[in-house]
Amino acid sequence: ETGVTQTPRHLVMGMTNKKSLKCEQHLGHNAMYWYKQSAKKPLELMFVYNFKEQTENNSVPSRFSPECPNSSHLFLHLHTLQPEDSALYLCASSRVGDNTGELFFGEGSRLTVL
Amino acid sequence: GQNIDQPTEMTATEGAIVQINCTYQTSGFNGLFWYQQHAGEAPTFLSYNVLDGLEEKGRFSSFLSRSKGYSYLLLKELQMKDSASYLCAGLDNDYKLSFGAGTTVTVRA
Repeated sequence: ETGVTQTPRHLVMGMTNKKSLKCEQHLGHNAMYWYKQSAKKPLELMFVYNFKEQTENNSVPSRFSPECPNSSHLFLHLHTLQPEDSALYLCASSRVGDNTGELFFGEGSRLTVL
Repeated sequence: GQNIDQPTEMTATEGAIVQINCTYQTSGFNGLFWYQQHAGEAPTFLSYNVLDGLEEKGRFSSFLSRSKGYSYLLLKELQMKDSASYLCAGLDNDYKLSFGAGTTVTVRA
């Protein structure tokens, strides 16, 4: 139990579907992140929110749309995805100003796009 | 940004020692992390080094040489539960974390 909860854990969707991934952190952190993890590849940073404001968007296609309504919740809205978007999507949180910048990860949402 | 390189796979015997090397290239540096990730689970923090030298934590130790852009994670007295992926990650001057692709360690009986 890392204090970061992601739902759903598994998701299968067609290319025309619209779905959302949800992340909630119970650690009192003020920064939240979305990472994409594909097999045999490094974790790719997608989005960063500090104090609910988006501070990073790493050239992510617009079919991925993040939302951060407060410092404890983060969503990733998905629409018209492609099969190559199939991956594990990891949410993480951290405390801004913490010396180490340590990330606390959720267990991920395994996405399969048919 | 940073480039992080680490081996893809390593295999070792229960009770043995394994050393996972990581090299990094960066234009700024604020520390080096190691995370452990079991299959189907969240990555969990193992260690953080920002100064040169060895940090020991029980059976796991992490080493950093900033002049060489090099780190290693040393796993001693290997147990079956240590079979996992080990992720090396570097923190740049903007406090952004860049990850390597991970090293899958398989411990055999």
